[in-house]
Amino acid sequence: DAKTTQPNSMESNEEEPVHLPCNHSTISGTDYIHWYRQLPSQGPEYVIHGLTSNVNNRMASLAIAEDRKSSTLILHRATLRDAAVYYCILRPISGGYQKVTFGTGTKLQVIP
Amino acid sequence: DSGVTQTPKHLITATGQRVTLRCSPRSGDLSVYWYQQSLDQGLQFLIQYYNGEERAKGNILERFSAQQFPDLHSELNLSSLELGDSALYFCASSVGDTPRDIQYFGAGTRLSVL
Repeated sequence: DAKTTQPNSMESNEEEPVHLPCNHSTISGTDYIHWYRQLPSQGPEYVIHGLTSNVNNRMASLAIAEDRKSSTLILHRATLRDAAVYYCILRPISGGYQKVTFGTGTKLQVIP
Repeated sequence: DSGVTQTPKHLITATGQRVTLRCSPRSGDLSVYWYQQSLDQGLQFLIQYYNGEERAKGNILERFSAQQFPDLHSELNLSSLELGDSALYFCASSVGDTPRDIQYFGAGTRLSVL
């Protein structure tokens, strides 16, 4: 099964860009890469997902390495509200949801 | 507001007891997922239902069971509770069962076993 590795914690200054890395060197060719975040005392919320190409939405951008062994979630201008734990998740096309791989999460601290 | 409702918000009970956690998915969502999150830990997938049928099973203990009803709400039953079962339990729902589907999470039920 695939594995994901994320740094335990990162810091960013407010209004600066943040790059959150995820290493998934054993990813299969059909695994989707999802990012969710969990704000303090809340349930997780969806951020972005992709398969091979880079993706942008109103919350963030997802940069996927050409070999797909790593990806980076980019928050373009961090705000205090972005302080959360960010999870990198691999969802395979086959094998069922029991094959999902969760990262341990990166706790992002945003400094005013 | 994600549209996913979990009740109760808090539950305090004693070891050996049995509790039921309830989840109402977003309108139109057919898939329901249950997760456990122990203190300062990541999410542990427990079980998934899709349109009333069990679809995937994660690290769910035999003392735990779940079901999804015809109206698509789901219940997670935890029995013979132990101190180590104290955790946040999240429910999530999604429209379908594909790797592209976005999950919407409820606010969670905090279970304290004393």
